[in-house]
Amino acid sequence: QQPVQSPQAVILREGEDAVINCSSSKALYSVHWYRQKHGEAPVFLMILLKGGEQKGHDKISASFNEKKQQSSLYLTASQLSYSGTYFCGTDSGTYKYIFGTGTRLKVLA
Amino acid sequence: GAGVSQSPSNKVTEKGKDVELRCDPISGHTALYWYRQRLGQGLEFLIYFQGNSAPDKSGLPSDRFSAERTGESVSTLTIQRTQQEDSAVYLCASSGRTGLSEAFFGQGTRLTVV
Repeated sequence: QQPVQSPQAVILREGEDAVINCSSSKALYSVHWYRQKHGEAPVFLMILLKGGEQKGHDKISASFNEKKQQSSLYLTASQLSYSGTYFCGTDSGTYKYIFGTGTRLKVLA
Repeated sequence: GAGVSQSPSNKVTEKGKDVELRCDPISGHTALYWYRQRLGQGLEFLIYFQGNSAPDKSGLPSDRFSAERTGESVSTLTIQRTQQEDSAVYLCASSGRTGLSEAFFGQGTRLTVV
């Protein structure tokens, strides 16, 4: 079952904040977040392991609620370089990475 | 190599022909994944390898698709009797430990079936 991401798409002005959610129907062991720019391969952002931790670097952070089987990615003070499609990748302990439906984010100047 | 390498980068083939797509993972990475990405769509899981074994092949769309990995290194995804619906970018990724570390993606093979 593919994780569902919301919103499907979002448009921001530079400096605005955004939250992208990833919801799974299965119990999760880990959640990974990737960003893919048009015509390029996905690039790793961060991994969150079972335990409900929160991580972040620069102005991008994420949380993982294993009870709710959800993860959220927080983008603060967005920059033009944040534009792209964001995917969550989930692992239910079977080592099978399933990626979410994707969220298209566009940051305008 | 420094990163995941896929070849060819582009492949145009006639309907009904067989194609082989190659993935060279990062040296030492035990896990290797294949995904399919149709235009404007998400990443569709195909298969993953732990070493040379493929514990889960459930993502392969049909029996026309097969994959193998040898020497815990190179992997080949083979599509037999290609159909137009097979047109997509095929992405390969490798990681050091399944589920516990980041996956590095190759640039993909863009397959066009005409």
